[in-house]
Amino acid sequence: KQEVTQIPAALSVPEGENLVLNCSFTDSAIYNLQWFRQDPGKGLTSLLLIQSSQREQTSGRLNASLDKSSGRSTLYIAASQPGDSATYLCAVKGLPGNQFYFGTGTSLTVIP
Amino acid sequence: GAVVSQHPSWVICKSGTSVKIECRSLDFQATTMFWYRQFPKQSLMLMATSNEGSKATYEQGVEKDKFLINHASLTLSTLTVTSAHPEDSSFYICSAPQPGLKNTEAFFGQGTRLTVV
Repeated sequence: KQEVTQIPAALSVPEGENLVLNCSFTDSAIYNLQWFRQDPGKGLTSLLLIQSSQREQTSGRLNASLDKSSGRSTLYIAASQPGDSATYLCAVKGLPGNQFYFGTGTSLTVIP
Repeated sequence: GAVVSQHPSWVICKSGTSVKIECRSLDFQATTMFWYRQFPKQSLMLMATSNEGSKATYEQGVEKDKFLINHASLTLSTLTVTSAHPEDSSFYICSAPQPGLKNTEAFFGQGTRLTVV
């Protein structure tokens, strides 16, 4: 069964810093990997989707990379802002049922 | 992008009662929907896969008689928590992929915060 792990579990940085969130998964047979943001008590906001054939995706200050063979993905956030404070989840989509397997999440706090 | 609507967004119920949560795909047909739950400070865990016109498939450890899933149409799946107990208090969220393409992104509902008192 696919297992997804995120490191670190929590991260606190001053505003303006660049940061990297890590995600690892045990089974490289995936269709895609998606990064989400979750604000307290709320649903999920999709940030970036990387197909299994791609190596990275960028959206604004966010850049996500994927190394499928090693089972790793990173989310890079440039010039962090207090509004970036949230929990970030990575999820991989794979066999057999086409469902998503979620990571444990990284709780990010950006200090003004 | 595609929209998945989940209702209600929060509900408080008494122990022993049943609660129904709806998940609708608003602008596409979803032959499959996924139900997840998230306990405090934990990640989302898949509970069951809802299949239109057939029985849902449940993950190990999820009681099918307690969490009733109905996927009667291509745009609606419902999760009913029967005889709810305080330990069922959790955040429940549904997801629907666009059919036919395995590599599409998933679209999630807004989630439902269930509190059983």
